[in-house]
Amino acid sequence: QQQVKQSPQSLIVQKGGISIINCAYENTAFDYFPWYQQFPGKGPALLIAIRPDVSEKKEGRFTISFNKSAKQFSLHIMDSQPGDSATYFCAALMNLYGGSQGNLIFGKGTKLSVKP
Amino acid sequence: ETGVTQTPRHLVMGMTNKKSLKCEQHLGHNAMYWYKQSAKKPLELMFVYNFKEQTENNSVPSRFSPECPNSSHLFLHLHTLQPEDSALYLCASSRGGDLWVNEQFFGPGTRLTVL
Repeated sequence: QQQVKQSPQSLIVQKGGISIINCAYENTAFDYFPWYQQFPGKGPALLIAIRPDVSEKKEGRFTISFNKSAKQFSLHIMDSQPGDSATYFCAALMNLYGGSQGNLIFGKGTKLSVKP
Repeated sequence: ETGVTQTPRHLVMGMTNKKSLKCEQHLGHNAMYWYKQSAKKPLELMFVYNFKEQTENNSVPSRFSPECPNSSHLFLHLHTLQPEDSALYLCASSRGGDLWVNEQFFGPGTRLTVL
C-alpha cells in the first residue's frame, strides 16, 4: 500500500498548547518520514524528518515520534504559537535501490490554527 | 525564498487554450518535480526529472506535457485542459542522483483555473 493516512484534518489549539498530528502507513519499505509546513500562498517547506532507526527526533519546539511496530509517526508542536498556523503534511518515501530515486507519498494535510 | 521560482503565479485559461508553466531553480540541483495540489487531496506527484531524464510519469493525462531542457529549468505545457485540472501546481527540486532521498525544495506554485 502506498498511502499515508493523516489525522486530524483540522486542529485548533490555544497559544502555548501542544499540537499533535498523526500519520500511519502500511508499507514497511518506507524508510524516510518528513513533515512539511505550508503557509498560504507558499509551497511546502521541510520542517523535520526522521528515519526508522530512531524513535524520536527533536528540533526546537518540533518533535517527531516514530513507532515502527505500529507503523505510525506523529508531529508534536510544543508551546504552539499563532505563527505556527499553517497546513502540515506528513510524507513517506521508499528508496528504490537500483538507480531510481524514491518519491514522496504525502498525507492529505492538517490545517492547524493556533488561537492567541 | 527557497531558491525555486515559478511563473506565472496565477493563470486562468479556457479549455481550448495552450499555456505553459515555468519553473527555475537556483540551487544547483539535478532533480526536478511537478506536483498537483488539489483541495482536500494529497499532493500528487506528476513528473520527475533526474539529470534532465524523465524518471517518473505518474499516469498523468497527455494534456500535460513536461519539458526539462536543462537541470535548472522545468516546464509544464498545458493544452485542452478540463475544469477538474484546476489546482495549485507545485515545482520542486532536490540534489538528485541515485539511491538517496534529498530534501525537496518547493516553489510557491502556480494557481491554475480552467474555465
